[in-house]
Amino acid sequence: SYELTQPPSVSVSPGQTARITCSGDALPKKYAYWYQHKSGQAPVVVIYEDNKRPSGIPERFSGSSSGTMATLTISGAHVEDEADYYCYSTDSSDNPHFGTGTKVIVL
Amino acid sequence: QVQLVESGGGVVQPGKSLRLSCAASGFTFKSYGMHWVRQAPGKGLEWVAVISTDGNKKFYADSVKGRLTISRDNSKNTLYLQINTLREEDTAMYYCAREHPHGMDEWGQGTTVTVSS
Repeated sequence: SYELTQPPSVSVSPGQTARITCSGDALPKKYAYWYQHKSGQAPVVVIYEDNKRPSGIPERFSGSSSGTMATLTISGAHVEDEADYYCYSTDSSDNPHFGTGTKVIVL
Repeated sequence: QVQLVESGGGVVQPGKSLRLSCAASGFTFKSYGMHWVRQAPGKGLEWVAVISTDGNKKFYADSVKGRLTISRDNSKNTLYLQINTLREEDTAMYYCAREHPHGMDEWGQGTTVTVSS
């Protein structure tokens, strides 16, 4: 079964840069999306099609993809960015999958 | 404004069936594909199923194929998820989400399903 692998957690101090990786064999040919999920709230898409930011998402969120790895970068992390982050993409048969998830801790 | 409101969750015995609903408002429901996504307690998000705008195309995660059925009624602006032969591993928060070129751009707040004897 296809897996999108993320680190379980990333810690960052306020104002510093957090990078979250997502590894998957199909990523060279498939777009990655990134979702922020705070406890008790609905998930929110923060990056789509590897590196595009939806309207309303702060500029400190950016995305990139190279080879089998996609990366979400939070430049100048805020305390309110503390959340779980999931990458999302499809496998070679276009079946959707979420990544394993990364808890971002800002302290 | 766009609203997606899930309902139908609850505590159910193993082996029983359940139908979840997602009522949509604030947008032209029939113009959007729709997803179900779930999150088991302490676990990550799991994509479950997607349905096309007209309901003719449906795709499922391998883990639920054959037991879960996604459907929609565009006249009622409502998405459904039928879960048969419930298992303890179906215990989760179930979210509906709107498909958009920018990703799943609108989500409901979720409905909780607990499978327990």
